[in-house]
Amino acid sequence: QLQLRESGPGLVQPSETLSLTCTVSGGSISSTDHYWAWIRQPPGKGLEWITSSYYRGTTYYNPTLKSRVTVSVDTSKNQFSLKLTSVTAADTAVYYCARVTYTSSWRRRFDPWGQGILLTVSS
Amino acid sequence: SYVLTQPPSVSVAPGQTARIACGGNNAGRKTVHWYQQRPGQAPVLVVYDDGDRPSGIPERFSGSSSGSTATLTISRVEAGDEADYYCQVWDGTTDHYVFGTGTKVTVL
Repeated sequence: QLQLRESGPGLVQPSETLSLTCTVSGGSISSTDHYWAWIRQPPGKGLEWITSSYYRGTTYYNPTLKSRVTVSVDTSKNQFSLKLTSVTAADTAVYYCARVTYTSSWRRRFDPWGQGILLTVSS
Repeated sequence: SYVLTQPPSVSVAPGQTARIACGGNNAGRKTVHWYQQRPGQAPVLVVYDDGDRPSGIPERFSGSSSGSTATLTISRVEAGDEADYYCQVWDGTTDHYVFGTGTKVTVL
């Protein structure tokens, strides 16, 4: 059974860079049938897609965050990572990683999800 | 950008049927997926590809789609169904994933 787990600091200073890692177990991140995604949820608010990456490098970005986001995939460690630069209090959220399954180019869903990690931006 | 609109809340008595709408421009022509998020937990996929259920999801959960609206139906509602529900599509025009605004289901 595939599982994902997010890791990273719980607190980030304003204007600094947020770094998170998602470790995948029970399956390979090099799967040709899946992408790997980051999604966030500010406290009390809805879900916001951040980015999705294929292990060979194709990446899609939420246009509102694209200029601040960097994604990397480490197949040797079965991990993928997110960096978000110049963070502000508005970036405070629970960050989830998830696998994207696509059965065709227009059928893309997130399943499963990691448990999530709360990142607080504060001095 | 593409927007999916859901009602903020739906209230339903135990044993009754809850219907959650997800509306957007030609939403019925896009493939819609639905997620359940219980308080303090990560979202869980409950319906995918408009109307299919992942293994382990009760048959009480079903999905349909027509025109500009997709609908998640929860039959014979139980107390454990109380959660936030989100719809989601892939917008091939922009290569973006879009979530609905979310609906809080309250079991009376």
